[in-house]
Formats: sequence, C-alpha cells, structure tokens
Amino acid sequence: GAVVSQHPSWVICKSGTSVKIECRSLDFQATTMFWYRQFPKQSLMLMATSNEGSKATYEQGVEKDKFLINHASLTLSTLTVTSAHPEDSSFYICSARDQGQAKETQYFGPGTRLLVL
Amino acid sequence: LAKTTQPISMDSYEGQEVNITCSHNNIATNDYITWYQQFPSQGPRFIIQGYKTKVTNEVASLFIPADRKSSTLSLPRVSLSDTAVYYCLVGDGAYSGGGADGLTFGKGTHLIIQP
Repeated sequence: GAVVSQHPSWVICKSGTSVKIECRSLDFQATTMFWYRQFPKQSLMLMATSNEGSKATYEQGVEKDKFLINHASLTLSTLTVTSAHPEDSSFYICSARDQGQAKETQYFGPGTRLLVL
Repeated sequence: LAKTTQPISMDSYEGQEVNITCSHNNIATNDYITWYQQFPSQGPRFIIQGYKTKVTNEVASLFIPADRKSSTLSLPRVSLSDTAVYYCLVGDGAYSGGGADGLTFGKGTHLIIQP
C-alpha cells in the first residue's frame, strides 16, 4: 500500500527558533498533501492544503506567515514552523492524496511531535 | 459535510467482538462512510469504507442499514493492540480543490481493550 513518511519523528527546540518538518510520499506521486495538527486528547485539525507547484491554502485561523508550506515536488511537502513558541507544541501529521483514490482514503504519515521549550 | 456522532469511549475485553456505531442522519446520496484508526502518537490509518449493506476486509466489517443514517464498525475478536481511537467520516469522495478536500475529523471513539 501507499506509504507516507515524515521527518523528524520528534523535535525539541527553543522558543524563537524555526523547525522544518518533511512529508514524503514514498511510492506514489502526490499533487496534493495536507497538514494537520493534533493537541493532546483532541482530534486532528486541518491546517493547510499543500499543492505541488502552487501556493498552499490555509484554514481559517492558521497564520500563513508562521506556518510556511512548500510543495516543491510530487513527493515532498515541507512545513516550517517559524519563530516557534511553546503554544506551537503539538503533534503535526501530514496526509497525501494518491491520484484516483477517493478523498476520504488519504494516506497519513506517522506524525511529528514538536516540543517548544 | 454530513455530521457524525460516535460514542466518546468504549471498553471491552480481549477476544470479544466490538461494535462501534456512528450516526450520520443527514448523509447525502453520494456520500461514502469511512473509518480510520489512530494509535497514540501515530497518524490515522484507513480501516474500511462502504456505501451500503455490508463490507468486510481482513481487519473489520462495516454494516450499513438501508436508510444509511448510521453505520457500525465491527472488530472481531479484539486484542490489546486494538486499543485506539476510531473515527467515522462521511463524504462523497470527490475532490473539489483547495482546503475543502482536507478531512474533518470528529472526536472519535476511544476504544480500550482490557485483558
């Protein structure tokens, strides 16, 4: 089956630094990838849609200048949390759409745990 | 998007069959029902999808009554490793472009399996 990887799996950083998270589709091409955030004991919340070769689409309330998304190839999307603060500490998960698959059958990465001190 | 309602939590024991019901009273004609499983500190994993009647795969069965206003995920002979959060999603499977294609997850059902 289709596999999506994320790197790193966890990261600890100091407040004010920037952190980059990679999302890769390993065995298929993904023109569209999605970024979600999940706080403890809560459900996943969609942050943005990453489109290959074009600007990302952000959900209401998500700061595009803080969460920079780049989808430079059909297998890689990156999320950069700029000037991270403790309230950005969360579990970040990406998903990818495989051509021909229904919308509700997206493939999810294993997630990246971010802790900002 | 059709709203879904699931129990917040369920408990069961190893070896038992577990049935998790999801209500989706305003499901549209073109909507499919999809279930995901999420273990702690992992991304969700697709389990099963159906439109009507019954669907079965190596992991679970999905029962959908004729009116499609609810669906039941059935996990046969559960083990401790089935402890996870299970999400029910409803949608028509079509991509429209942009953020509308991201998935909307409800609170899910936290299933706890005990020895």
